[in-house]
Amino acid sequence: SQTIHQWPATLVQPVGSPLSLECTVEGTSNPNLYWYRQAAGRGLQLLFYSVGIGQISSEVPQNLSASRPQDRQFILSSKKLLLSDSGFYLCAWSPEGGTEAFFGQGTRLTVV
Amino acid sequence: KQEVTQIPAALSVPEGENLVLNCSFTDSAIYNLQWFRQDPGKGLTSLLLIQSSQREQTSGRLNASLDKSSGRSTLYIAASQPGDSATYLCAVNGNDMRFGAGTRLTVKP
Repeated sequence: SQTIHQWPATLVQPVGSPLSLECTVEGTSNPNLYWYRQAAGRGLQLLFYSVGIGQISSEVPQNLSASRPQDRQFILSSKKLLLSDSGFYLCAWSPEGGTEAFFGQGTRLTVV
Repeated sequence: KQEVTQIPAALSVPEGENLVLNCSFTDSAIYNLQWFRQDPGKGLTSLLLIQSSQREQTSGRLNASLDKSSGRSTLYIAASQPGDSATYLCAVNGNDMRFGAGTRLTVKP
């Protein structure tokens, strides 16, 4: 069966520090991968999605970047965090061709 | 760009009521629509998936409908229970996956 792992679950980082959040999927190949951010009391904002290794689509200009170094690995990064980067970050995958989507448990990031 | 809207933003009902949550989207060229449940501080749990060729899906007390041509979906919850309290999100899957802002449901005992 397929599983998705996202870590860490919580993270407190100072302003200006770097960020690396990792998401991996097991039990499938060539998944579509997504990074979302959810601000407090808000909906999910699509940040990045990827349909294959090295293929990243960015939704909004921001202080973040994403990479997909392996087929089932999706990494969200920042060189210098801002206070406004605080939020709940969710990774998701769906099978190639885009059917049902499955989510990780999320990372609560607090930038102080 | 696909835009997804959910109405109402919040809903409070007494236990036992039937209720309807609404989702609308602007681009009808979709593969499927998915309803999720999110508990506070948690990830998303998939409830129902409706393929673009389908009109509805049912799971227990939940029934979701899809009218792709009008860009609408509804989630019907029968005989609501306090354990149904959560935020309900609809996601439209086209070239990417877009979410509405959610409906926060509170079911009072």
